[in-house]
Amino acid sequence: DAGITQSPRHKVTETGTPVTLRCHQTENHRYMYWYRQDPGHGLRLIHYSYGVKDTDKGEVSDGYSVSRSKTEDFLLTLESATSSQTSVYFCAISESSGQTQYFGPGTRLLVL
Amino acid sequence: GEDVEQSLFLSVREGDSSVINCTYTDSSSTYLYWYKQEPGAGLQLLTYIFSNMDMKQDQRLTVLLNKKDKHLSLRIADTQTGDSAIYFCAERGLTGGGNKLTFGTGTQLKVEL
Repeated sequence: DAGITQSPRHKVTETGTPVTLRCHQTENHRYMYWYRQDPGHGLRLIHYSYGVKDTDKGEVSDGYSVSRSKTEDFLLTLESATSSQTSVYFCAISESSGQTQYFGPGTRLLVL
Repeated sequence: GEDVEQSLFLSVREGDSSVINCTYTDSSSTYLYWYKQEPGAGLQLLTYIFSNMDMKQDQRLTVLLNKKDKHLSLRIADTQTGDSAIYFCAERGLTGGGNKLTFGTGTQLKVEL
């Protein structure tokens, strides 16, 4: 299995509070991605990174920001959490060729 | 945007073959993937096929690609209870950048004794 960890694995927070999710990889892969998984929608891309300090938006980026200051870490921040951001968040990585993406174990976020 | 569609549920008996189908719209798709997700877990890459191939076999798994009809299928031979999971089809196209994948909504496979 690819060396990908996500923290925290579970979080409960209140509407309006900031939340940061962390993805850490030990594979030295160039690309990192954040997805959210919701019933009836499959996985949808939030943001991705193609190198340190290089990021771009995915299809559902509103309300989210990301940062990548080191190859191994990709942070997803919800500046002011809303109930619609209750979801399971997955991080993925891929090598430069981008042929395959490998997924982390996920973070379950509940916004009350 | 590009779209990937799958049926929601499939139920099979243990020992039978399962066939999970997927259709996609992106004519520039380069790779197509099958991922498996067990309850409470992340997505596990099962197999993938390059768009210039029409079949790939890997042990109990057979992937068929009909590029003309934009149809992908995953056949699992001798289906076991451990195969019960959600199966996601995904495609990687040339539009946009970042090697992004577009996922289907997933097919829940239930294997009955």
